[in-house]
Amino acid sequence: GQNIDQPTEMTATEGAIVQINCTYQTSGFNGLFWYQQHAGEAPTFLSYNVLDGLEEKGRFSSFLSRSKGYSYLLLKELQMKDSASYLCAVNSGGYQKVTFGTGTKLQVIP
Amino acid sequence: EPEVTQTPSHQVTQMGQEVILRCVPISNHLYFYWYRQILGQKVEFLVSFYNNEISEKSEIFDDQFSVERPDGSNFTLKIRSTKLEDSAMYFCASTPAFRTGGEQYFGPGTRLTVT
Repeated sequence: GQNIDQPTEMTATEGAIVQINCTYQTSGFNGLFWYQQHAGEAPTFLSYNVLDGLEEKGRFSSFLSRSKGYSYLLLKELQMKDSASYLCAVNSGGYQKVTFGTGTKLQVIP
Repeated sequence: EPEVTQTPSHQVTQMGQEVILRCVPISNHLYFYWYRQILGQKVEFLVSFYNNEISEKSEIFDDQFSVERPDGSNFTLKIRSTKLEDSAMYFCASTPAFRTGGEQYFGPGTRLTVT
């Protein structure tokens, strides 16, 4: 089976930095996604990590440690529009199957 | 910018009826997916489709469900004999080539309400 854990909720201040953690237990790991989902909308792709290390994309960065089964999403210079759920998802086994975590609801406050 | 489209945006049906949810993936994409998200719960993988056949499916995707690519553009999810617990948002997604980056482009979703 697969298990993906991430905090349910987080609150951070506008302009600050926030780190959202994700731990996973799976067999046949291929890669890890991060998605952003605003309420009532579809998920939007943020990143896909296959190898260990940090990948930076503008204000968003994603880190992966395959040996530890651990990833984090780092959001810098938080804006009010960053208030959303952030979904960690693992691709494992066959390449075509993706398992999502329950998501972390981030609230950005002034 | 090309995008995945889905119709209808909202479908209301009675328990026991059949529904067909439609998706038009991005035109040069090769892999297609259906996911569902029950209100307040996580996104769940249903099925992936490549080269006109199912490549993977989850435990949720039982005989009640089927997928089809009837022509060069549409990708459909059929749910036979709907149940109350099928009420959810259904997302279609597509990707050009999974092994080279994996970005999945999601459609806006169809909200299915079974009464």
